[in-house]
Amino acid sequence: DQQVKQNSPSLSVQEGRISILNCDYTNSMFDYFLWYKKYPAEGPTFLISISSIKDKNEDGRFTVFLNKSAKHLSLHIVPSQPGDSAVYFCAASRMDSNYQLIWGAGTKLIIKP
Amino acid sequence: NAGVMQNPRHLVRRRGQEARLRCSPVKGHSHVYWYRQLPEEGLKFMVYLQKENIIDESGMPKERFSAEFPKEGPSILRIQQVVRGDSAAYFCASSQGGGNQPQHFGDGTRLSIL
Repeated sequence: DQQVKQNSPSLSVQEGRISILNCDYTNSMFDYFLWYKKYPAEGPTFLISISSIKDKNEDGRFTVFLNKSAKHLSLHIVPSQPGDSAVYFCAASRMDSNYQLIWGAGTKLIIKP
Repeated sequence: NAGVMQNPRHLVRRRGQEARLRCSPVKGHSHVYWYRQLPEEGLKFMVYLQKENIIDESGMPKERFSAEFPKEGPSILRIQQVVRGDSAAYFCASSQGGGNQPQHFGDGTRLSIL
């Protein structure tokens, strides 16, 4: 039972354009969401997070949007840069076990020069 | 580098042997988490420890797997009598506090079972 789903295994975007990565979840108990970035042979690196009391959080080139009614969140990267090429993971946690991150399978982002 | 340190980076074991994976958290972090990642999948939570205590081991198989985080020294994930299905990347993360504190990850140990 996959509670966090990233339905696009990969995404290719032109350098300088916007990258939009999507994530859906099924558990309405989730109240905190995070995006991590992962390069090959390295551990995930925290990018940005959002609490369920918000619908948007912005940090530099990265913005996360949360649509609670649709149980959907997205990560926008603009402008996309070659160094953004990596696998992006969406993760979620619940109020009653908020240390336990539930992860999606990841989306591989490829930025074309 | 004050990040999470995991060693070894790669570990090869034969079926039936024991595997010991070590994790030194970020200095000052007292909360440690272990995750397992199979190919083409996301990370799966295994266990959450604070110094000398296991807080939640609900994601860890009941048999053959154990974890500890002693007062002194690194956290250890121990797998006894390894089987082929244990082949995976094992990631350790640490945080300053519990809850929604961002978890900082090490680069993982890639375990291969022959």
